[in-house]
Amino acid sequence: EAGVAQSPRYKIIEKRQSVAFWCNPISGHATLYWYQQILGQGPKLLIQFQNNGVVDDSQLPKDRFSAERLKGVDSTLKIQPAKLEDSAVYLCASSWDRDEQYFGPGTRLTVT
Amino acid sequence: KQEVTQIPAALSVPEGENLVLNCSFTDSAIYNLQWFRQDPGKGLTSLLLIQSSQREQTSGRLNASLDKSSGRSTLYIAASQPGDSATYLCAVGPMNTGFQKLVFGTGTRLLVSP
Repeated sequence: EAGVAQSPRYKIIEKRQSVAFWCNPISGHATLYWYQQILGQGPKLLIQFQNNGVVDDSQLPKDRFSAERLKGVDSTLKIQPAKLEDSAVYLCASSWDRDEQYFGPGTRLTVT
Repeated sequence: KQEVTQIPAALSVPEGENLVLNCSFTDSAIYNLQWFRQDPGKGLTSLLLIQSSQREQTSGRLNASLDKSSGRSTLYIAASQPGDSATYLCAVGPMNTGFQKLVFGTGTRLLVSP
C-alpha cells in the first residue's frame, strides 16, 4: 500500500512570495489533515478535510493560508504572502474516519 | 483546551537499556492516544494507537500504557538499540470533537549510543 505522498520536499522562498504544497493521501482515506511543525515543537493542525469538505480550520491563518481538496482526493495548501514565521515543516496526514493517522514525509519551507 | 506535555525533553542511554518515555495530558476526555516516531528531516511514523477503552498496546519491543483518569501515558522501550534514536511524539485525540483532531506534545529526543 502506497503511503501519503507530498511535494515538494524542500522549498526556499523570500518573504512576501507565494508557495503551494501538494498532498496525495492513502487511497480510500476520507480524512486528510495539514499540520505545521515549527522547529522544536510538535505538529499543530492547520486544517482537516472529510472527503472534500472542511471540518476544522480554526487554526488556519486565513488571511494568508488557503487549502482545498478537489474531488475528495488530492489536496493543496497555499501561503500567500509568506512571512518569516511560516518557516516550518508542513505535514500532510490521512486516515480512515477517526482511525490511526498516517503521515507523509513533509515539506520543509524556509522563508528568507 | 487540551495540553500535552512530554518528559523528559531529551534522553541519552547506552544500548541495551530499558527506558520509559512519559506523556501527560490535561483533559481526560480523550478518544484515543497515539505514539509516533520522527527521524530527523522525516515525517511521522505511527508506533502505537491506544483507544480510550484500552489500557495498553504492544508492538515488538514497544509497550504503551494509558491511564485516562490520571491523564498519563507511558511508552516503554525494551532493550534499546542505536536504531531507536529519534524523537518520540505523543498525541491525543479529544473526545468532544467529531473528528480526529490530534493535539501533540513537543516530543522526547532519544539518543541510544552503541
